[in-house]
Amino acid sequence: DGGITQSPKYLFRKEGQNVTLSCEQNLNHDAMYWYRQDPGQGLRLIYYSQIVNDFQKGDIAEGYSVSREKKESFPLTVTSAQKNPTAFYLCASSTLLGFSGVGETQYFGPGTRLLVL
Amino acid sequence: SQQGEEDPQALSIQEGENATMNCSYKTSINNLQWYRQNSGRGLVHLILIRSNEREKHSGRLRVTLDTSKKSSSLLITASRAADTASYFCATVVPGGAQKLVFGQGTRLTINP
Repeated sequence: DGGITQSPKYLFRKEGQNVTLSCEQNLNHDAMYWYRQDPGQGLRLIYYSQIVNDFQKGDIAEGYSVSREKKESFPLTVTSAQKNPTAFYLCASSTLLGFSGVGETQYFGPGTRLLVL
Repeated sequence: SQQGEEDPQALSIQEGENATMNCSYKTSINNLQWYRQNSGRGLVHLILIRSNEREKHSGRLRVTLDTSKKSSSLLITASRAADTASYFCATVVPGGAQKLVFGQGTRLTINP
């Protein structure tokens, strides 16, 4: 089965705690993305990576960190600096066609819902 | 920053009717994509329309793009209960970063 997986499905964070959300893909995609979705809202980009060992901040990177040590994996850490972390987190991946970056279809994982205790 | 705005925010129709959702955006784009999200799930890609295309079809879906008006529409014909979901437009702006910028979505309810 080719696809993109996220774990866990639900995650609970205590005050002052860092938590890490997992994202794995076996689609051989170069690019991976993390989005945050608040209730009734669209998606906002947190971080993205187009190649291993490189990543860029999105629109709302403060309080989050990522790594891209393997092509298949793009974990997101929600740090204690993120004061309002309760949200639905979505990971996505896509190919990179050519060098013009015209933007291709993104494939999404099932999401992780983060709740604060 | 939100590039796209969907209209209406919510739409409720009877099964079998057609559903039309609109999306407006602010800056020039490379392409525009429509996605569907069932409640509590990830997004599923529906259609991608490039900036030099005006209309695209996929099954019961029809997407139009008017770059002069910076708008797009998604038409779902002969709606079914399973079409109940939120629908998002997303744009890719020039610049090489391939970032998708999402609107806030239209929540579509199909009543049996």
